[in-house]
Amino acid sequence: DTAVSQTPKYLVTQMGNDKSIKCEQNLGHDTMYWYKQDSKKFLKIMFSYNNKELIINETVPNRFSPKSPDKAHLNLHINSLELGDSAVYFCASSPWGTSGSVDEQFFGPGTRLTVL
Amino acid sequence: DQQVKQNSPSLSVQEGRISILNCDYTNSMFDYFLWYKKYPAEGPTFLISISSIKDKNEDGRFTVFLNKSAKHLSLHIVPSQPGDSAVYFCAAIVGDKLIFGTGTRLQVFP
Repeated sequence: DTAVSQTPKYLVTQMGNDKSIKCEQNLGHDTMYWYKQDSKKFLKIMFSYNNKELIINETVPNRFSPKSPDKAHLNLHINSLELGDSAVYFCASSPWGTSGSVDEQFFGPGTRLTVL
Repeated sequence: DQQVKQNSPSLSVQEGRISILNCDYTNSMFDYFLWYKKYPAEGPTFLISISSIKDKNEDGRFTVFLNKSAKHLSLHIVPSQPGDSAVYFCAAIVGDKLIFGTGTRLQVFP
């Protein structure tokens, strides 16, 4: 049973296209995240949702729009793809700590996006 | 501005010996740290964590040490095994989010 799953695992597309990456977690967690790992292998948070509500929105272009239809899903839609969007995108989830703080996160396998 | 730094991109250790992975941070307000391990083509997996009220946390072969005055933490793996070969990320919790270092690739050879 995969705890955090992402589809697709690989995505190759042309500049200017619109694409979506899906994420699902079956851990019953309240909080989900999207991270981007760039060519320098730096993992950086993009968004987080807690109970379908946007909590964190880092400085990410408006072309990136997360959507959380329910607590178990957080999808990432990217409009007008650019070359610089090529990266590995990781979804993660975590329980919400009793103090309201973040607990350790469980990551999906990643989606390697290549924009040509 | 990188708040969590892992200055060694790679480390090579013989099987059975100790692996020491280092991490430095800049913000003295960070109060909870985690180590993640990542195999190729997989997402990072949580390994061990430490709160700033402690200076050491041990879990089997893995021990994390925290030196708050130096803003430094380290992960010790002993004895190292070939299956430990992976990229290790140090991370700090800041408010609602994790801030990751750039990772250190550990290779354990026979």
